[in-house]
Amino acid sequence: QVQLKESGPGLVQPSQTLSLTCTVSGLSLTSNSVSWIRQPPGKGLEWMGVIWSNGGTDYNSAIKSRLSISRDTSKSQVFLKMNSLQTEDTAMYFCARNRGRLDYWGQGVMVTVSS
Amino acid sequence: DIQMTQSPSVLSASVGDRVTLNCKASQNINKYLNWYQQKLGEAPKLLIYNTNNLQTGIPSRFSGSGSGTDYTLTISSLQPEDVATYFCFQHNSWPDTFGAGTKLELK
Repeated sequence: QVQLKESGPGLVQPSQTLSLTCTVSGLSLTSNSVSWIRQPPGKGLEWMGVIWSNGGTDYNSAIKSRLSISRDTSKSQVFLKMNSLQTEDTAMYFCARNRGRLDYWGQGVMVTVSS
Repeated sequence: DIQMTQSPSVLSASVGDRVTLNCKASQNINKYLNWYQQKLGEAPKLLIYNTNNLQTGIPSRFSGSGSGTDYTLTISSLQPEDVATYFCFQHNSWPDTFGAGTKLELK
């Protein structure tokens, strides 16, 4: 049974770095890709980036300079790091398995950027 | 980036109605179009992938069609549990992009 679960701090101060973890089960990261998607309160979805099964990454150009996605295959974890956070980065952050279609999603983690 | 425009932004319909939601891409996306349903407080759920393929476990009242830049999600007979926001998503060109969503309400 495929499951993904996001974890991380609920509150981050402006200009600081956000670190989130996506822990997966029921799938191998060496044969599955994982994407990060975020959703500001009451707004639509923004695809942030992906780590491919071969370890390569692709990022949304709008946030590429601030974003890094990595993984630890032995722990079945995918990591998101985004620096220079601003209030507009307040959002629900989701990870999802990426097979061209995002078919399994985590429940999301809410991150608020505020002092 | 490819822009995805969904219409209408809000749709009110009655139980049993046939409902059609639209999604228009700013350029040809070669049928690499998925539809997601998101209920309040939940993660999005994949309904349809690559225009017209029903995801496992999704009721057959949901169907998709389209080509080129224009795509449609149809619910053949609206049920109360279908109240949600529906998003289209293209994965033809980087970066993958979502539409802004159509909020489906009961009349």
